[in-house]
Amino acid sequence: DQQVKQNSPSLSVQEGRISILNCDYTNSMFDYFLWYKKYPAEGPTFLISISSIKDKNEDGRFTVFLNKSAKHLSLHIVPSQPGDSAVYFCAAFQTGANNLFFGTGTRLTVIP
Amino acid sequence: DAGVIQSPRHEVTEMGQEVTLRCKPISGHDYLFWYRQTMMRGLELLIYFNNNVPIDDSGMPEDRFSAKMPNASFSTLKIQPSEPRDSAVYFCASSLGDRGREGEAFFGQGTRLTVV
Repeated sequence: DQQVKQNSPSLSVQEGRISILNCDYTNSMFDYFLWYKKYPAEGPTFLISISSIKDKNEDGRFTVFLNKSAKHLSLHIVPSQPGDSAVYFCAAFQTGANNLFFGTGTRLTVIP
Repeated sequence: DAGVIQSPRHEVTEMGQEVTLRCKPISGHDYLFWYRQTMMRGLELLIYFNNNVPIDDSGMPEDRFSAKMPNASFSTLKIQPSEPRDSAVYFCASSLGDRGREGEAFFGQGTRLTVV
């Protein structure tokens, strides 16, 4: 059973506009949430994370929002750039267990 | 460090054959993960090790799959016998666990397995 879900397999946005990628999870024991970015023929790379005690974390153009009551998080990219085109994976992590569960990914295409 | 190294990058094999995927984690990392990427399920966690000991193998789909970590610098994922539905990209990742940023794992480039 998928503990981390990304319901949008793809997203297209114009360069300069905001990209919003969504993620839902089911396990309330997760205490860290992460976004990974993956280019073709490469492994995923860490992008940004958020602790469950926070509701927002910002790093440059990337901001992750967490709504614990809804078990939902989102990644905002502003402004979007063509180089942001990649597959974005949402992941969840439980301290102590040290496992790392991923969603199915969302393919973002930023149109120049 | 060269990062997580996986071999081979591509593997094509016939149904019924044994397949062995290899991984060299980043030196000093305590955790090693094996993932399988498919369109339907995204990145599935198959198994992970802590200090060479398997901690959770509940993601291994069938008894045909097995993984070992004989030492801190090497791990294998074996499929015997292989089936066409095993075709996927298999990733190995390593992390510092609690000594690093929570949840940050470093991935290899993956092995694309095709079983015909």
